[in-house]
Amino acid sequence: AQSVTQLDSQVPVFEEAPVELRCNYSSSVSVYLFWYVQYPNQGLQLLLKYLSGSTLVESINGFEAEFNKSQTSFHLRKPSVHISDTAEYFCAVSDPRGSNYKLTFGKGTLLTVNP
Amino acid sequence: KAGVTQTPRYLIKTRGQQVTLSCSPISGHRSVSWYQQTPGQGLQFLFEYFSETQRNKGNFPGRFSGRQFSNSRSEMNVSTLELGDSALYLCASSLTWDTIYEQYFGPGTRLTVT
Repeated sequence: AQSVTQLDSQVPVFEEAPVELRCNYSSSVSVYLFWYVQYPNQGLQLLLKYLSGSTLVESINGFEAEFNKSQTSFHLRKPSVHISDTAEYFCAVSDPRGSNYKLTFGKGTLLTVNP
Repeated sequence: KAGVTQTPRYLIKTRGQQVTLSCSPISGHRSVSWYQQTPGQGLQFLFEYFSETQRNKGNFPGRFSGRQFSNSRSEMNVSTLELGDSALYLCASSLTWDTIYEQYFGPGTRLTVT
């Protein structure tokens, strides 16, 4: 069975500071990896995904994540955060083999960007 | 193109009652998945439907059920509500069952059980 561990439940940072949200997964097979963002009172929005190929993936709003197979990690980073990045971030994993494509989510990391 | 819509957005029910939540996927999407989100358990997979058939089911009691119609709209039903069923219920759609990497979520239905 797959599982996802988000090591920090809350991460407070100041505006324009760099941030890293950590995500580790456990799976014995190749996986798809995702980061979703949830703003207050909204559903989840896909931020970025790793399916195959380049281990560094980027989003349109400056976030990036690096797939590290040896460390089974998929940490999310941004070099300079804005107030508007305040939200909850979820890491998720899916096994692309077979027919069971459900997403398994981590417990989430609440990123709070302070002025 | 309109996104995933869920109705109602907010719902208050009493223990023992039943509730039905509705999800309309993005036009052309035939796969619909449901998730329960609570502060304690996080996001948990409930079930997935494709072409009116349940393909996958999470680890929830039989009180939780769902269905999908020929137009891909989906409903989930919870019978004999318990306090612990209070949660945000999220629906997500994708083109087919194997395109989970392009899954779009709705805003959710906030269910409060008193």
